[in-house]
Amino acid sequence: ETGVTQSPTHLIKTRGQQVTLRCSSQSGHNTVSWYQQALGQGPQFIFQYYREEENGRGNFPPRFSGLQFPNYSSELNVNALELDDSALYLCASSLAARAQETQYFGPGTRLLVL
Amino acid sequence: AQRVTQPEKLLSVFKGAPVELKCNYSYSGSPELFWYVQYSRQRLQLLLRHISRESIKGFTADLNKGETSFHLKKPFAQEEDSAMYYCALRSGSARQLTFGSGTQLTVLP
Repeated sequence: ETGVTQSPTHLIKTRGQQVTLRCSSQSGHNTVSWYQQALGQGPQFIFQYYREEENGRGNFPPRFSGLQFPNYSSELNVNALELDDSALYLCASSLAARAQETQYFGPGTRLLVL
Repeated sequence: AQRVTQPEKLLSVFKGAPVELKCNYSYSGSPELFWYVQYSRQRLQLLLRHISRESIKGFTADLNKGETSFHLKKPFAQEEDSAMYYCALRSGSARQLTFGSGTQLTVLP
């Protein structure tokens, strides 16, 4: 069984740029959730994708967008980067069909915006 | 809106001493609560969930709806328990997790 993987591990961007982060789900999982974790804080829900469609969204502006592919991998895109976007971005996969599904987290991508 | 509060950012105990990590929540519905743990240089992982009423690595947590709390307890702390602990509440159409800000537990020898 392959765990959740994320790429890249680290990234440095400047204000105004765009970034794409990638996540590969754990084998057999069909749902991917993205979280932002600022320094010293707990993870904060950005959005979730289920069967290639957005299935829920947290309190994040539209410049945060995503995709899910037929193989259930996912991308998080952030446009017009701001300094406050500097954070650890986590993705978590799960199998939505199970009533008590567990979210399995990846190692995260650390984004620094200068 | 739902909210999870972990009042202690840092907690230190000696090996063999009891430990309690506090978690309070605010939610209008029936809560699903979890404890996640992150050991040094490892990814976030589920420790336990209230619905299972299980003990994992000697840890237990009881949901107290009257006090809106879900404190994590262990009677005898071990050095390997040193980690960051997050309390989380699951809600919403996406069954997303709302996390507290975490408690860094250090178990001293």
